[in-house]
Amino acid sequence: AQSVTQLDSHVSVSEGTPVLLRCNYSSSYSPSLFWYVQHPNKGLQLLLKYTSAATLVKGINGFEAEFKKSETSFHLTKPSAHMSDAAEYFCVVSLPVGAGNMLTFGGGTRLMVKP
Amino acid sequence: NAGVTQTPKFRVLKTGQSMTLLCAQDMNHEYMYWYRQDPGMGLRLIHYSVGEGTTAKGEVPDGYNVSRLKKQNFLLGLESAAPSQTSVYFCASSYRRGGPGAEAFFGQGTRLTVV
Repeated sequence: AQSVTQLDSHVSVSEGTPVLLRCNYSSSYSPSLFWYVQHPNKGLQLLLKYTSAATLVKGINGFEAEFKKSETSFHLTKPSAHMSDAAEYFCVVSLPVGAGNMLTFGGGTRLMVKP
Repeated sequence: NAGVTQTPKFRVLKTGQSMTLLCAQDMNHEYMYWYRQDPGMGLRLIHYSVGEGTTAKGEVPDGYNVSRLKKQNFLLGLESAAPSQTSVYFCASSYRRGGPGAEAFFGQGTRLTVV
């Protein structure tokens, strides 16, 4: 079985400072990993995905994430936070077909950006 | 680009009433899902479908029924609504079930209140 742990339920940064949202996963297989963002009263939007190609993945709005197999981590980063980045972020794992069932969501991290 | 469309966006029900939530996708995806999102609980899978005419139970299926008569539509029914079903409901679809291509595309959500 796979699981996903988002290490911080809330993260607060100042505008213009770096963002780090942490995600650890457990899986017996080579997973596909995703980050989603959810703005208030909106649906979830795919930010980026890792699917066993390059370990550093670039997404939309300046976000990127690095897959580290040895650390079973897939942390999300952004060099400089913007007010519009305030939202909830979800780390999601998917196993190869036949190895597991459906997507597994982390509990979410709420990012607050202070002016 | 419509993607995944949910109707209605908001609904208030009285306890014991029934209703159907409609999800439509225009991406020709085989896989469709219904999730509920509650504060502090993250996203939980209610039911899913791996193709037209098929449905299966997810993590929290009790009190809900689903149907997938057409590939593009996935209906979620509440036969006798209860206050515990007050939640935000998200429909999603994906090209594959696992691995690359398993990223889900979400609708905007239906906010349901049962009084």
